[in-house]
Amino acid sequence: EIVMTQSPVTLSVSPGERATLSCRASQSIDSDLAWYQLKPGQAPRLLIYRTSSRATGVPARFGGTGSGTEFTLTISSLQSEDIAVYYCQQYHQRPSRTFGRGTKVEIK
Amino acid sequence: QVQLQELGSALVKPSGTLSLTCSVSGASVTSNFWWTWVRQSPVKGLEWIGEVSHMGGSNYKPSLRSRVTISIEKSWSQNHFSLRLESVTAADSGKYYCAGATGGNGYNDYNGLDVWGPGTTVTVSS
Repeated sequence: EIVMTQSPVTLSVSPGERATLSCRASQSIDSDLAWYQLKPGQAPRLLIYRTSSRATGVPARFGGTGSGTEFTLTISSLQSEDIAVYYCQQYHQRPSRTFGRGTKVEIK
Repeated sequence: QVQLQELGSALVKPSGTLSLTCSVSGASVTSNFWWTWVRQSPVKGLEWIGEVSHMGGSNYKPSLRSRVTISIEKSWSQNHFSLRLESVTAADSGKYYCAGATGGNGYNDYNGLDVWGPGTTVTVSS
């Protein structure tokens, strides 16, 4: 089973500043990576699929890059509504489409 | 617009069976989706449990495979998919989500879980 490792565990960013979240796969997953946003009391929301494609309705300040084993989610200008836990998910290899443990983004 | 809603028991006894149903509206469960169950806990965050495709293929998390079954039910009166998790312990407590990923025509026909139910909390306790 592919293991996804996210860092940092918690990220403190000032409003308007850039937030950079990392996700590492234990083996190559090509570009088969998605990012999700999870806010308290809400269902997860798909932000990015196939490493860099934004899901419908996702603001342009969210961007994804990477390939192979190293991936990044960038929030170019952090807004208050972006406070959440962010998860990466690989979907490259059977049988399990594993999630990382998440990065909590908070306001500095 | 596809909408999902989890239904099932909120309390399950240890060693019992957790059974949840995901009611699907706005699409048929036989349409092109990977129908999925995900759970959330404070300790593990989001945990992918398993999935079934409209074509009937299924995949499960290896550590749960011996205890879990995900199936599709489609008839004139039913349009849902289900989760069955046997021999539960307190570690199986959490919030359970059903979700769907457009695709399902083969394992690599997948672009992330783009539709989710609101989730339901399940507690394993005597």
